[in-house]
Amino acid sequence: NAGVMQNPRHLVRRRGQEARLRCSPMKGHSHVYWYRQLPEEGLKFMVYLQKENIIDESGMPKERFSAEFPKEGPSILRIQQVVRGDSAAYFCASSPNILFAGGGNEQYFGPGTRLTVT
Amino acid sequence: EDQVTQSPEALRLQEGESSSLNCSYTVSGLRGLFWYRQDPGKGPEFLFTLYSAGEEKEKERLKATLTKKESFLHITAPKPEDSATYLCAGGSQGNLIFGKGTKLSVKP
Repeated sequence: NAGVMQNPRHLVRRRGQEARLRCSPMKGHSHVYWYRQLPEEGLKFMVYLQKENIIDESGMPKERFSAEFPKEGPSILRIQQVVRGDSAAYFCASSPNILFAGGGNEQYFGPGTRLTVT
Repeated sequence: EDQVTQSPEALRLQEGESSSLNCSYTVSGLRGLFWYRQDPGKGPEFLFTLYSAGEEKEKERLKATLTKKESFLHITAPKPEDSATYLCAGGSQGNLIFGKGTKLSVKP
Protein backbone atom coordinates (compact mmCIF):
# COMPACT_ATOMS: atom_id res chain seq x y z
CA ASN A 1 0.00 0.00 0.00
CA ALA A 2 1.73 3.13 -1.22
CA GLY A 3 2.02 5.97 1.23
CA VAL A 4 1.27 9.63 0.67
CA MET A 5 3.03 10.81 -2.47
CA GLN A 6 4.20 14.32 -3.15
CA ASN A 7 5.84 15.82 -6.19
CA PRO A 8 8.05 17.37 -7.01
CA ARG A 9 10.36 16.65 -4.10
CA HIS A 10 12.39 19.77 -4.82
CA LEU A 11 11.21 22.88 -6.63
CA VAL A 12 13.16 26.00 -7.44
CA ARG A 13 11.32 29.12 -8.52
CA ARG A 14 12.35 32.69 -9.16
CA ARG A 15 10.56 35.50 -7.40
CA GLY A 16 7.27 36.23 -9.13
CA GLN A 17 6.80 32.77 -10.62
CA GLU A 18 4.11 30.28 -9.71
CA ALA A 19 4.68 27.10 -7.70
CA ARG A 20 2.36 24.10 -7.96
CA LEU A 21 2.75 21.33 -5.41
CA ARG A 22 0.96 18.01 -5.80
CA CYS A 23 -0.18 15.48 -3.25
CA SER A 24 -1.72 12.04 -3.78
CA PRO A 25 -3.18 10.70 -0.54
CA MET A 26 -2.94 7.13 0.63
CA LYS A 27 -5.33 4.72 -1.03
CA GLY A 28 -8.71 4.93 0.63
CA HIS A 29 -8.03 8.32 2.22
CA SER A 30 -10.32 11.17 1.25
CA HIS A 31 -9.05 13.83 3.66
CA VAL A 32 -5.97 15.89 2.85
CA TYR A 33 -4.07 18.41 4.96
CA TRP A 34 -1.28 20.77 3.96
CA TYR A 35 1.38 21.99 6.38
CA ARG A 36 4.38 24.28 5.98
CA GLN A 37 7.66 23.87 7.84
CA LEU A 38 10.01 26.82 7.94
CA PRO A 39 13.66 26.32 8.99
CA GLU A 40 13.91 25.94 12.79
CA GLU A 41 10.13 26.19 13.08
CA GLY A 42 7.45 23.63 13.74
CA LEU A 43 4.95 22.40 11.23
CA LYS A 44 2.17 24.95 10.68
CA PHE A 45 -1.26 23.95 9.45
CA MET A 46 -2.39 25.60 6.24
CA VAL A 47 -5.50 23.97 4.84
CA TYR A 48 -7.74 20.91 5.19
CA LEU A 49 -9.61 19.53 2.19
CA GLN A 50 -11.97 16.77 1.38
CA LYS A 51 -12.80 15.76 -2.17
CA GLU A 52 -14.03 18.89 -3.98
CA ASN A 53 -14.38 20.82 -0.71
CA ILE A 54 -12.22 23.08 1.41
CA ILE A 55 -13.07 22.28 5.02
CA ASP A 56 -10.71 24.63 6.87
CA GLU A 57 -8.32 27.15 5.32
CA SER A 58 -7.68 29.15 8.46
CA GLY A 59 -3.91 28.66 8.27
CA MET A 60 -3.47 29.66 4.67
CA PRO A 61 -2.42 33.19 3.70
CA LYS A 62 -5.35 34.92 2.03
CA GLU A 63 -3.30 36.21 -0.88
CA ARG A 64 -1.32 34.23 -3.44
CA PHE A 65 -2.09 30.82 -1.91
CA SER A 66 -4.84 28.46 -3.01
CA ALA A 67 -5.58 24.77 -2.67
CA GLU A 68 -7.86 22.27 -4.33
CA PHE A 69 -8.66 18.58 -4.15
CA PRO A 70 -10.64 17.66 -7.26
CA LYS A 71 -12.86 14.66 -7.69
CA GLU A 72 -10.18 13.05 -9.81
CA GLY A 73 -6.46 13.52 -9.39
CA PRO A 74 -4.15 14.83 -6.71
CA SER A 75 -4.57 17.72 -4.35
CA ILE A 76 -2.79 20.85 -5.54
CA LEU A 77 -1.32 23.65 -3.45
CA ARG A 78 -0.68 26.66 -5.63
CA ILE A 79 1.46 29.64 -4.72
CA GLN A 80 1.30 32.57 -7.10
CA GLN A 81 3.99 35.25 -7.44
CA VAL A 82 6.34 33.52 -5.01
CA VAL A 83 8.56 35.54 -2.70
CA ARG A 84 11.70 34.48 -0.83
CA GLY A 85 9.69 34.08 2.38
CA ASP A 86 7.76 31.23 0.74
CA SER A 87 10.90 29.08 0.79
CA ALA A 88 10.05 26.16 3.05
CA ALA A 89 9.20 22.49 3.13
CA TYR A 90 5.54 21.84 2.34
CA PHE A 91 4.07 18.62 3.66
CA CYS A 92 0.85 16.93 2.78
CA ALA A 93 -0.91 14.48 5.08
CA SER A 94 -3.95 12.31 4.62
CA SER A 95 -6.41 10.48 6.83
CA PRO A 96 -9.16 7.98 6.11
CA ASN A 97 -11.83 9.81 8.06
CA ILE A 98 -12.53 13.10 9.75
CA LEU A 99 -10.20 13.24 12.73
CA PHE A 100 -11.84 12.18 15.98
CA ALA A 101 -15.01 11.11 14.23
CA GLY A 102 -14.40 7.53 15.23
CA GLY A 103 -11.54 5.34 14.07
CA GLY A 104 -8.55 6.11 11.86
CA ASN A 105 -7.43 9.16 13.77
CA GLU A 106 -3.97 9.32 12.29
CA GLN A 107 -2.60 11.72 9.74
CA TYR A 108 0.01 10.11 7.54
CA PHE A 109 2.55 12.43 6.00
CA GLY A 110 4.24 12.48 2.64
CA PRO A 111 7.95 13.15 2.09
CA GLY A 112 7.38 16.85 1.43
CA THR A 113 8.23 19.31 -1.31
CA ARG A 114 11.13 21.63 -0.63
CA LEU A 115 10.50 24.94 -2.30
CA THR A 116 13.37 27.32 -2.85
CA VAL A 117 12.68 30.82 -4.14
CA THR A 118 15.66 32.58 -5.67
CA GLU B 1 -4.07 30.77 21.87
CA ASP B 2 -3.55 27.04 21.38
CA GLN B 3 0.07 26.08 21.87
CA VAL B 4 2.32 23.03 22.08
CA THR B 5 5.76 23.35 23.66
CA GLN B 6 8.43 20.67 23.58
CA SER B 7 11.52 20.35 25.75
CA PRO B 8 14.39 20.02 25.59
CA GLU B 9 15.09 21.38 22.10
CA ALA B 10 17.98 18.96 21.76
CA LEU B 11 19.05 15.91 23.72
CA ARG B 12 22.25 13.93 23.45
CA LEU B 13 22.32 10.46 24.93
CA GLN B 14 24.76 7.62 25.05
CA GLU B 15 23.52 4.32 23.69
CA GLY B 16 21.57 2.60 26.45
CA GLU B 17 20.99 5.80 28.44
CA SER B 18 17.23 6.10 29.00
CA SER B 19 15.50 9.48 29.11
CA SER B 20 12.22 11.31 28.53
CA LEU B 21 11.03 14.02 26.17
CA ASN B 22 8.39 16.47 27.34
CA CYS B 23 5.43 17.97 25.50
CA SER B 24 3.25 20.50 27.30
CA TYR B 25 0.08 21.72 25.65
CA THR B 26 -2.66 24.26 25.94
CA VAL B 27 -5.12 23.19 23.28
CA SER B 28 -8.75 24.03 23.81
CA GLY B 29 -10.89 20.93 23.74
CA LEU B 30 -7.96 18.62 23.07
CA ARG B 31 -9.21 15.37 21.59
CA GLY B 32 -5.91 13.70 20.78
CA LEU B 33 -2.19 14.05 21.38
CA PHE B 34 0.06 12.78 18.61
CA TRP B 35 3.72 11.80 18.51
CA TYR B 36 5.72 11.66 15.29
CA ARG B 37 9.31 10.93 14.39
CA GLN B 38 11.00 12.95 11.66
CA ASP B 39 14.30 12.08 10.02
CA PRO B 40 16.28 14.75 8.13
CA GLY B 41 14.81 15.48 4.72
CA LYS B 42 11.77 13.28 5.30
CA GLY B 43 8.16 13.62 6.33
CA PRO B 44 6.95 12.92 9.86
CA GLU B 45 6.36 9.27 10.64
CA PHE B 46 3.37 8.50 12.85
CA LEU B 47 4.16 6.89 16.22
CA PHE B 48 1.25 7.23 18.67
CA THR B 49 -2.09 8.86 19.39
CA LEU B 50 -3.19 9.34 23.00
CA TYR B 51 -6.75 10.33 23.80
CA SER B 52 -7.19 10.66 27.55
CA ALA B 53 -5.18 11.40 30.68
CA GLY B 54 -3.60 8.27 32.07
CA GLU B 55 -3.35 6.55 28.72
CA GLU B 56 -0.06 4.89 27.77
CA LYS B 57 1.14 3.36 24.52
CA GLU B 58 4.32 1.48 23.72
CA LYS B 59 6.26 0.63 20.60
CA GLU B 60 9.62 -1.08 20.87
CA ARG B 61 11.84 1.21 23.00
CA LEU B 62 9.30 4.05 23.07
CA LYS B 63 6.49 4.65 25.53
CA ALA B 64 4.16 7.63 25.41
CA THR B 65 2.08 8.83 28.34
CA LEU B 66 -0.49 11.58 28.73
CA THR B 67 -1.64 13.78 31.60
CA LYS B 68 -4.09 16.68 31.54
CA LYS B 69 -1.31 19.17 30.79
CA GLU B 70 1.54 17.30 29.20
CA SER B 71 2.77 14.19 27.48
CA PHE B 72 6.02 12.32 27.84
CA LEU B 73 7.88 10.16 25.39
CA HIS B 74 10.09 7.77 27.30
CA ILE B 75 12.98 6.17 25.46
CA THR B 76 14.38 3.06 27.10
CA ALA B 77 17.93 1.93 26.28
CA PRO B 78 18.08 3.96 23.06
CA LYS B 79 20.14 2.93 20.05
CA PRO B 80 21.84 5.16 17.46
CA GLU B 81 19.00 4.43 15.01
CA ASP B 82 16.62 6.22 17.39
CA SER B 83 18.36 9.49 16.50
CA ALA B 84 15.75 11.78 14.94
CA THR B 85 13.55 14.75 15.73
CA TYR B 86 10.48 13.80 17.73
CA LEU B 87 7.39 15.92 17.17
CA CYS B 88 4.38 16.30 19.40
CA ALA B 89 1.03 17.65 18.16
CA GLY B 90 -2.32 18.38 19.71
CA GLY B 91 -5.61 18.23 17.89
CA SER B 92 -9.13 19.29 18.66
CA GLN B 93 -10.47 19.53 15.14
CA GLY B 94 -9.13 18.57 11.74
CA ASN B 95 -5.80 20.31 11.97
CA LEU B 96 -2.91 19.49 14.28
CA ILE B 97 -0.89 22.03 16.29
CA PHE B 98 2.74 21.00 16.36
CA GLY B 99 5.56 21.76 18.73
CA LYS B 100 9.00 22.59 17.36
CA GLY B 101 10.33 19.17 18.22
CA THR B 102 13.13 17.62 20.24
CA LYS B 103 16.21 16.64 18.29
CA LEU B 104 17.55 13.42 19.77
CA SER B 105 21.09 12.22 19.13
CA VAL B 106 22.16 8.82 20.41
CA LYS B 107 25.90 8.15 20.36
CA PRO B 108 27.26 4.59 20.24
